[in-house]
Amino acid sequence: GNSVTQMEGPVTLSEEAFLTINCTYTATGYPSLFWYVQYPGEGLQLLLKATKADDKGSNKGFEATYRKETTSFHLEKGSVQVSDSAVYFCALFNAGNNRKLIWGLGTSLAVNP
Amino acid sequence: EADIYQTPRYLVIGTGKKITLECSQTMGHDKMYWYQQDPGMELHLIHYSYGVNSTEKGDLSSESTVSRIRTEHFPLTLESARPSHTSQYLCASSEDRVRQETQYFGPGTRLLVL
Repeated sequence: GNSVTQMEGPVTLSEEAFLTINCTYTATGYPSLFWYVQYPGEGLQLLLKATKADDKGSNKGFEATYRKETTSFHLEKGSVQVSDSAVYFCALFNAGNNRKLIWGLGTSLAVNP
Repeated sequence: EADIYQTPRYLVIGTGKKITLECSQTMGHDKMYWYQQDPGMELHLIHYSYGVNSTEKGDLSSESTVSRIRTEHFPLTLESARPSHTSQYLCASSEDRVRQETQYFGPGTRLLVL
């Protein structure tokens, strides 16, 4: 079946540090992959996405590359800011799975000044 | 910019009360969802809908019920609230696409049942 495994948190970094949050997936066929972010007290919002192998999604300085050979979609940012403190969710969409998103468990990130 | 609204944002209520959480979207999306999110952050899909008059139970069993009489409106009802229902409830919507879809989320309703 389809599943998403996401790096456990919480992750605590100092401002301007490099961020990696690991995400690997199991799926049949050719899923689309997503990163969502949830800021404190808010709902989730799409951060970036990739719909086919080797695609790179990017937004707000965050990047993730769809790697089919390693079934991964790791989230990276070169220099985090305090305002990046949030919970990050990796997700997978596979048309065969009743057309629903499969979610990772979420990774909490705290960035200290 | 996504336009999906949830009311109330916060609700404190006593055990046994009937409550309805409202969710509306103005994007004309066919698909809508209700998620339950506990303090541990994990999202649990409890209900979804493919369109008007379509409702399906999600992956997590829930005592709540939903209805979809209008495209833009997807309310969730608890007939008799209990402390175990205390949680955050997130509503989302999306276009119904085969290849990929982006879900748009409301701000959530934080429910506390005493």
